[in-house]
Amino acid sequence: ETGVTQTPRHLVMGMTNKKSLKCEQHLGHNAMYWYKQSAKKPLELMFVYSLEERVENNSVPSRFSPECPNSSHLFLHLHTLQPEDSALYLCASSRGGADTDTQYFGPGTRLTVL
Amino acid sequence: QQQVKQSPQSLIVQKGGISIINCAYENTAFDYFPWYQQFPGKGPALLIAIRPDVSEKKEGRFTISFNKSAKQFSLHIMDSQPGDSATYFCAALYGKLTFGQGTILTVHP
Repeated sequence: ETGVTQTPRHLVMGMTNKKSLKCEQHLGHNAMYWYKQSAKKPLELMFVYSLEERVENNSVPSRFSPECPNSSHLFLHLHTLQPEDSALYLCASSRGGADTDTQYFGPGTRLTVL
Repeated sequence: QQQVKQSPQSLIVQKGGISIINCAYENTAFDYFPWYQQFPGKGPALLIAIRPDVSEKKEGRFTISFNKSAKQFSLHIMDSQPGDSATYFCAALYGKLTFGQGTILTVHP
């Protein structure tokens, strides 16, 4: 495994539910990322945290709310999602700062919104 | 201008053949070009990467060819094996990674 873990691996939720995705990295990295992966589309960067500060928010709807309590943990809080939000949500981490900064991905959470 | 266009969407190759996946970009500020490999149920993993001051990089059966003037780069998998069957993503970095759409590679035994 890559040293990045995600839970749960699968999640089914209704549009009125509130749930959270969790990511943990064991690599001593300073930057963490949330990506959305939909079928036949490029990976979409959602949020970037560097040293626990949010440095990028790519026009993501407010129904997605990230939280980074420390450099090892990253959450994505979900509420009132839409069926089109069904996708694989990937977390990644990197050392941060270098111009060839390699990102290490977790296995993802497969989210289905009914 | 931030797009990276990848082709083909899917590719079927016989065992022992050469798999070729192509990517093109517009933004000349991109300064690092990695390729990621993703197996079902797993996240993408870095396979090989190249900087624009180099025209070719080889690691085992995997080679990146880079054409700076054409703003194109490609991944060649020599002696393709069934275990290479996966989705491959090219990417380009300038501040953040921009990914191509992905290529589903199937290598038949």
